[in-house]
Amino acid sequence: DAMVIQNPRYQVTQFGKPVTLSCSQTLNHNVMYWYQQKSSQAPKLLFHYYDKDFNNEADTPDNFQSRRPNTSFCFLDIRSPGLGDAAMYLCATSREGTGDYEQYFGPGTRLTVT
Amino acid sequence: AQSVSQHNHHVILSEAASLELGCNYSYGGTVNLFWYVQYPGQHLQLLLKYFSGDPLVKGIKGFEAEFIKSKFSFNLRKPSVQWSDTAEYFCASLNQAGTALIFGKGTTLSVSS
Repeated sequence: DAMVIQNPRYQVTQFGKPVTLSCSQTLNHNVMYWYQQKSSQAPKLLFHYYDKDFNNEADTPDNFQSRRPNTSFCFLDIRSPGLGDAAMYLCATSREGTGDYEQYFGPGTRLTVT
Repeated sequence: AQSVSQHNHHVILSEAASLELGCNYSYGGTVNLFWYVQYPGQHLQLLLKYFSGDPLVKGIKGFEAEFIKSKFSFNLRKPSVQWSDTAEYFCASLNQAGTALIFGKGTTLSVSS
């Protein structure tokens, strides 16, 4: 089945230690998104790639970076994680240009910062 | 700024009870609205969506939602819930730029058998 895959599902990192979360998709969608979801809060968009074009949300901290080396993969890099960055990180994809704005989500990576 | 509000944080129902989850959105222009569901341990899945046309939208698993423009609402309904409907439900609106979903905080539905 075509899907969005996130690895790892659970990640523990130390305060200030860089961490990378990965997302891959077999849907061949041209848009990939990263959302942050803290406990009991709504998912919040961090940034998205439209093909190779990177689009950062205005309030996304500089601590968060992303890479998309090809259509299938997208990475979320947290350069110096703080305790406040502990959250579920959701990757999603969509196909722009079809008028279908549905986003397809991966299972998420739960990040713990110690 | 655009926002989506979900009125109920936690809803507890018995099987066969009827369900209505409230959702209000703030944007007054063209709307694209969604309900997503997240079953325990699983990823967010689309239940239904509204872009235009018939304001009563039918989705998977017997869910439906009604778009009421005058009330800025997009409430989710199901006539008879099952234990397997226990999940977190998120209402979302596409932002004005068409680039991102704006989610409500979610409603946790617990169905007892």
